[in-house]
Amino acid sequence: EPEVTQTPSHQVTQMGQEVILRCVPISNHLYFYWYRQILGQKVEFLVSFYNNEISEKSEIFDDQFSVERPDGSNFTLKIRSTKLEDSAMYFCASSYSLGQPQHFGDGTRLSIL
Amino acid sequence: AQKVTQAQTEISVVEKEDVTLDCVYETRDTTYYLFWYKQPPSGELVFLIRRNSFDEQNEISGRYSWNFQKSTSSFNFTITASQVVDSAVYFCALSEVFYGQNFVFGPGTRLSVLP
Repeated sequence: EPEVTQTPSHQVTQMGQEVILRCVPISNHLYFYWYRQILGQKVEFLVSFYNNEISEKSEIFDDQFSVERPDGSNFTLKIRSTKLEDSAMYFCASSYSLGQPQHFGDGTRLSIL
Repeated sequence: AQKVTQAQTEISVVEKEDVTLDCVYETRDTTYYLFWYKQPPSGELVFLIRRNSFDEQNEISGRYSWNFQKSTSSFNFTITASQVVDSAVYFCALSEVFYGQNFVFGPGTRLSVLP
């Protein structure tokens, strides 16, 4: 069964550094998403992406965040100038259409030191 | 605004007991989807079920069953004859069609099934 893959599984970065989290969505899916889960808390929506542009974003997704689909397969989340509070699990998800189940990757655990 | 409430933060049961996880939602949309996801200790999110707002039929899948009641805006999840492997955090989620694309997750219920 096709799945969403995320790399790396764990990223450790110094505060203030830039980090890029990578995702390969399921190949025929059209909608892409990033979510964040701070340890022990709920999963929070960051951004959705469709037709090569951001379609929706939350208040968490401020100017330090950006997303890109640099080619036909990858979907990336960039965090500029990371802060301690950016430490969390970041999940990528994709779906074929609105309302369809979003298939999640296994997540990237980001630790900011 | 869309909102999902899971009032039970943590539940502990003994193996073979039945357990029901509650989910109450709020939405402005007339067309929406409800989901349950399981997050085992390994951390990944596993899709369990999707329900659309026009389908109020209850669903059973093995030991899992779901009770969708639009009148009370609830979408409860029951595990029958629970097993230790059911221990996980369970998230209920809502996706509106007209007002937004993103999922809103509830805070989750941590289920511990003791042997």
